[in-house]
Amino acid sequence: AQTVTQSQPEMSVQEAETVTLSCTYDTSESNYYLFWYKQPPSRQMILVIRQEAYKQQNATENRFSVNFQKAAKSFSLKISDSQLGDTAMYFCAFMKRQYGNKLVFGAGTILRVKS
Amino acid sequence: DVKVTQSSRYLVKRTGEKVFLECVQDMDHENMFWYRQDPGLGLRLIYFSYDVKMKEKGDIPEGYSVSREKKERFSLILESASTNQTSMYLCASSPPPQGEQFFGPGTRLTVL
Repeated sequence: AQTVTQSQPEMSVQEAETVTLSCTYDTSESNYYLFWYKQPPSRQMILVIRQEAYKQQNATENRFSVNFQKAAKSFSLKISDSQLGDTAMYFCAFMKRQYGNKLVFGAGTILRVKS
Repeated sequence: DVKVTQSSRYLVKRTGEKVFLECVQDMDHENMFWYRQDPGLGLRLIYFSYDVKMKEKGDIPEGYSVSREKKERFSLILESASTNQTSMYLCASSPPPQGEQFFGPGTRLTVL
């Protein structure tokens, strides 16, 4: 069974600074996807970024980028130029590359952006 | 815009009551999911469905059942609610085979 671990329950960062959220996972699969989801206080889960394991290049979406280390089974999220609207719970998630796309989630990291 | 709606944002029920949580998606997605979210545990999969009338157990199906009579609607049923089912419930849908999951706004259920 796959497991996803987020070791930082809470983090804070000053507006305009950079912050990195950590995620490690355990799997014997070679083909899979990794995701970061954001859940703001409104509770609406939003996909932030997605990485396909067979791609060596790290995914980037505007101010959000990942550091994907497949051998180390590590998938961290970097948020640059943090904004107040980035305040949210962030979940790392794993999905096997097979029909039936079940997600396995980490426990989440609460990120607070301070002005 | 994909929209996943859930019937209630907040729900309070009594122990032993039968509870229905409804989820509707408007994008003709084959796959639908029910998750439970608890502090420190993240989201855990209760049940999922690949198609109408098809369902499979997730990681924590005990005490729950589901119904999918129409493609757009996926219901979660608590046959006899218990206090340990107090939680946030999130529904999601996605196109196959590995499409992004789109989430509803969640239902915060309290069982007294």
